[in-house]
Amino acid sequence: KNQVEQSPQSLIILEGKNCTLQCNYTVSPFSNLRWYKQDTGRGPVSLTIMTFSENTKSNGRYTATLDADTKQSSLHITASQLSDSASYICVVRPRGSGTYKYIFGTGTRLKVLA
Amino acid sequence: GAVVSQHPSRVICKSGTSVKIECRSLDFQATTMFWYRQFPKQSLMLMATSNEGSKATYEQGVEKDKFLINHASLTLSTLTVTSAHPEDSSFYICSATQGSLETQYFGPGTRLLVL
Repeated sequence: KNQVEQSPQSLIILEGKNCTLQCNYTVSPFSNLRWYKQDTGRGPVSLTIMTFSENTKSNGRYTATLDADTKQSSLHITASQLSDSASYICVVRPRGSGTYKYIFGTGTRLKVLA
Repeated sequence: GAVVSQHPSRVICKSGTSVKIECRSLDFQATTMFWYRQFPKQSLMLMATSNEGSKATYEQGVEKDKFLINHASLTLSTLTVTSAHPEDSSFYICSATQGSLETQYFGPGTRLLVL
């Protein structure tokens, strides 16, 4: 079982609609949780980063939330645009000496239709 | 700031040949670079971690003699896929960190197709 699970695996929405992507993790303790956007054939680009003590972080139309008690995070996209079509990856960085590696989620593929 | 480039962006080669992929940090000194492989519709899989001037640390199951990594300077790491085979066809992504290893900055990736 992956330490970082995302749902849904894929999602199709109409342009202008909102959507919420989910991330459940078992990594503990952790230093921070990030959401990345990865366009097809490109490297991941950071959207938000939250430490274990933060509950929410916004970046334009992207709002990430974090509940460290339930080990859940979500990424809410408001007023979706065609350019939002991409994979969204939840990444957790464990806390502790030598734990510099990222633990990647399985990703959610979002398709925004006109 | 914190831009990472990769070259080439895509490469097609014949089976049995070797391919070199470059990863550069353009505006910062990268003490550590990471190499990932990503198959279609899957997430990134860490292959190895390289520190400038020392040998790379490979993840379990990654053949170090097949995937040669050189991190000769603070701004350049190279991944050489030796004797490439069709199953090596994948999307290879590097990332770089500076200082505290807190944030990885990802390159745009290199698409490798081995015929």
